[in-house]
Amino acid sequence: RKEVEQDPGPFNVPEGATVAFNCTYSNSASQSFFWYRQDCRKEPKLLMSVYSSGNEDGRFTAQLNRASQYISLLIRDSKLSDSATYLCVAVLSGSARQLTFGSGTQLTVLP
Amino acid sequence: NAGVTQTPKFQVLKTGQSMTLQCAQDMNHNSMYWYRQDPGMGLRLIYYSASEGTTDKGEVPNGYNVSRLNKREFSLRLESAAPSQTSVYFCASSTTSGTSTEQFFGPGTRLTVL
Repeated sequence: RKEVEQDPGPFNVPEGATVAFNCTYSNSASQSFFWYRQDCRKEPKLLMSVYSSGNEDGRFTAQLNRASQYISLLIRDSKLSDSATYLCVAVLSGSARQLTFGSGTQLTVLP
Repeated sequence: NAGVTQTPKFQVLKTGQSMTLQCAQDMNHNSMYWYRQDPGMGLRLIYYSASEGTTDKGEVPNGYNVSRLNKREFSLRLESAAPSQTSVYFCASSTTSGTSTEQFFGPGTRLTVL
């Protein structure tokens, strides 16, 4: 079983739609969580951190449920520029702060 | 600031050849990482260096060696390339001070082993 699992998609949604991605992690010792965004043939970049209380950054909302070991990302009012692969990431403690990546969920926003 | 740079961008090798992938960062980060990314597999950690002078194995270290040359540079070596090492290789760096865990990635090296 993968340590971080995501629905690979693809998700094809029209502009303006709301779309939600889910992610589960298996290691209960994971301490921090993030969503990274990766454009086609580019490097991953941090989109946002995920906090237990839930957090919002503009049109993006991230949620964490530690009891269920579940993370979500909600994108409201989708834009064409949101088309990318979204990577769920869990971090174990330790000085190197190793990241464990999910395999990603591909989103295409259609005009 | 250039951030994280990687060379080369593309490389084609024959089975059994060796090569070194170079990575450098100018953000004064302590930690550096090498990942490979394969379709449907996500990014998998090959080796990491928590600080200058230390290196440790990640999830998939077999067939690779690394050198943390100084605080800025972290190289990945394939001694005898195999077709299974065809992949996109990303280098990343991060600070270990404070609570930040954001990793900054280089643009990647696309390696094909024939």
